[in-house]
Amino acid sequence: GENVEQHPSTLSVQEGDSAVIKCTYSDSASNYFPWYKQELGKGPQLIIDIRSNVGEKKDQRIAVTLNKTAKHFSLHITETQPEDSAVYFCAASSGGSYIPTFGRGTSLIVHP
Amino acid sequence: AAGVIQSPRHLIKEKRETATLKCYPIPRHDTVYWYQQGPGQDPQFLISFYEKMQSDKGSIPDRFSAQQFSDYHSELNMSSLELGDSALYFCASSLEEQETQYFGPGTRLLVL
Repeated sequence: GENVEQHPSTLSVQEGDSAVIKCTYSDSASNYFPWYKQELGKGPQLIIDIRSNVGEKKDQRIAVTLNKTAKHFSLHITETQPEDSAVYFCAASSGGSYIPTFGRGTSLIVHP
Repeated sequence: AAGVIQSPRHLIKEKRETATLKCYPIPRHDTVYWYQQGPGQDPQFLISFYEKMQSDKGSIPDRFSAQQFSDYHSELNMSSLELGDSALYFCASSLEEQETQYFGPGTRLLVL
C-alpha cells in the first residue's frame, strides 16, 4: 500500500517568513495530492490540492509543487501570519482508491 | 457554503457502553467517509459509503458498524466501547467518490 512520509514534524517561523513542508510517497500510481490544515479542535480543512498531470499550483500565499519522478511534493506558504499556525497534513491517493493516505502532520507555529 | 455536519460534537461514555455518531454530508454529496484520529496522530480511515453501499473498508474494528441512509446521512455505531476508542471521529463527504473530500468538525469521544 501507499506510504507517505512528511517532514518536518514541527516548524517554527517568524511572521512574514516562508514555510515549506515536504512529503514523499511510495506508490507511483498515486495521482492526487491534497493538503489539509487542521486547527486545534477542528476538522481538517482542504487548503490546496494537485493532480499528477500538473507540476505546480498556486493560490494566493499557498503553493504546492509535485515531482513525480522523485515522488515528492511540497507545500509552500509565503508571508506567514499567526493565523497560519496549525497542523498541516499532506496526503496521497490513486485513481483506484479514493481513500487518501495521510502523512503524520507538521505542526506549524508562526510567531508574531 | 454548507459544510459537513456531525453530531454530537462531544460524547462521554463508560467502558462497554455503545455510542452512535451521526454525519450529514454536504448537500448533493453521495459519498461519506469515516476517520478516527488519536491525539497527535493523522486521521485513520475506517469505512466509506457510496450511494448507500459500503465502498471501502479500512481499520474499522468488528465492534463498530456503519450505514448510509437514503438521504445520504451516515451513522457510525460503536459497541463494547474500550478506553482506546477515545479519539476524534471525523466524517468527510464527496461527490460521486471523487478524490476531494470535505471534513466535518468531528465528534470527540471520551470513554471512561
